[in-house]
Amino acid sequence: SQQGEEDPQALSIQEGENATMNCSYKTSINNLQWYRQNSGRGLVHLILIRSNEREKHSGRLRVTLDTSKKSSSLLITASRAADTASYFCATYNSGYSTLTFGKGTMLLVSP
Amino acid sequence: NAGVTQTPKFRVLKTGQSMTLLCAQDMNHEYMYWYRQDPGMGLRLIHYSVGEGTTAKGEVPDGYNVSRLKKQNFLLGLESAAPSQTSVYFCASTLTGMGEQYFGPGTRLTVT
Repeated sequence: SQQGEEDPQALSIQEGENATMNCSYKTSINNLQWYRQNSGRGLVHLILIRSNEREKHSGRLRVTLDTSKKSSSLLITASRAADTASYFCATYNSGYSTLTFGKGTMLLVSP
Repeated sequence: NAGVTQTPKFRVLKTGQSMTLLCAQDMNHEYMYWYRQDPGMGLRLIHYSVGEGTTAKGEVPDGYNVSRLKKQNFLLGLESAAPSQTSVYFCASTLTGMGEQYFGPGTRLTVT
């Protein structure tokens, strides 16, 4: 069964707006990662946040992690049309030794 | 560096046929993975390897076999293809099991 579940399933915004995607998971984790997938392409790693971290930034990306609520959020600020893609969260638990991916959020950014 | 490459990019099989998908990485990564991606299902792990000569089952291993004879290559085999194996297959690798994974471009497989 899949560990992470993203919300919403789809998000449509205008260029310049912020996009927020959420991820919830079920068991304890060592880290949580976010990936982007452009249509028909392989996944690209965006950011990794460890279980002892609460917030992390990378360019226009901001990730938060709340281990007490077993949830994470990905914020993309000042969205661009090029941000149109599917975004996946993935959790790593040392007991499983593998990443478990959610079903993703499809983001559409209109010019 | 080419990163992670997959061969072939597309393939159409008839039910019962066999084939092998090849994944190669030039980053000296220990860990390699095979996933399948179906609409609305996200990525599901088929098999993985934590080093040369090792393999382990993932979430959906039935109908697939793998081999890791060389560190840089990870092969996924379908012995008798079924329509349920129509999917997009992704290979990934990572230096450490908990680190970021690098993905190949995918193989789109259709089984008729």
